[in-house]
Amino acid sequence: EAGVAQSPRYKIIEKRQSVAFWCNPISGHATLYWYQQILGQGPKLLIQFQNNGVVDDSQLPKDRFSAERLKGVDSTLKIQPAKLEDSAVYLCASSLSFMRVGEAFFGQGTRLTVV
Amino acid sequence: AQSVTQLDSHVSVSEGTPVLLRCNYSSSYSPSLFWYVQHPNKGLQLLLKYTSAATLVKGINGFEAEFKKSETSFHLTKPSAHMSDAAEYFCVVTTNTGNQFYFGTGTSLTVIP
Repeated sequence: EAGVAQSPRYKIIEKRQSVAFWCNPISGHATLYWYQQILGQGPKLLIQFQNNGVVDDSQLPKDRFSAERLKGVDSTLKIQPAKLEDSAVYLCASSLSFMRVGEAFFGQGTRLTVV
Repeated sequence: AQSVTQLDSHVSVSEGTPVLLRCNYSSSYSPSLFWYVQHPNKGLQLLLKYTSAATLVKGINGFEAEFKKSETSFHLTKPSAHMSDAAEYFCVVTTNTGNQFYFGTGTSLTVIP
């Protein structure tokens, strides 16, 4: 089966610019997660969707980050404006339902460098 | 509150020797615990999971982990390391509703030929 698709794989932007990442989860997976993985750290959950609704966005810096999953399938994560500390790998994951989070499947991630 | 502590940031072993990656957890309830592996430029892959069934859990590629409640540990082991095992390994605990992951900081495994 096809895995979780993310694009782009790499992005370099200047601080204060905007950037958007795209994720297409595994077909039929109702739950979608965005994680931020800073170099040397474990992934940190930014936002979790169940279909097109937000389940948890408590760790999303809402002054600059936004995410949507309008049709309950693919999702975009946006940063506007970017800061140097946003340099990280942004991982998208999906699972059949939020009660089966242990079976989440991860994409390869988007590596963002803010200069 | 839930958290995991991976006790070693880097582990080096020789090919063919045993692997031990250590993880301690903190949880106010019976946790679900997982090990994920991340190879360079690849996505995170589930190795194994513990969800309150058998305390010794077998995963893919010969890895296994034992849940020890008395020690609040969930260490990952493999009898014989292979070069392809070189990667970053993450120990993960979930919330009591099972809908959030808490990742450890990771252990980088190096396998020496």
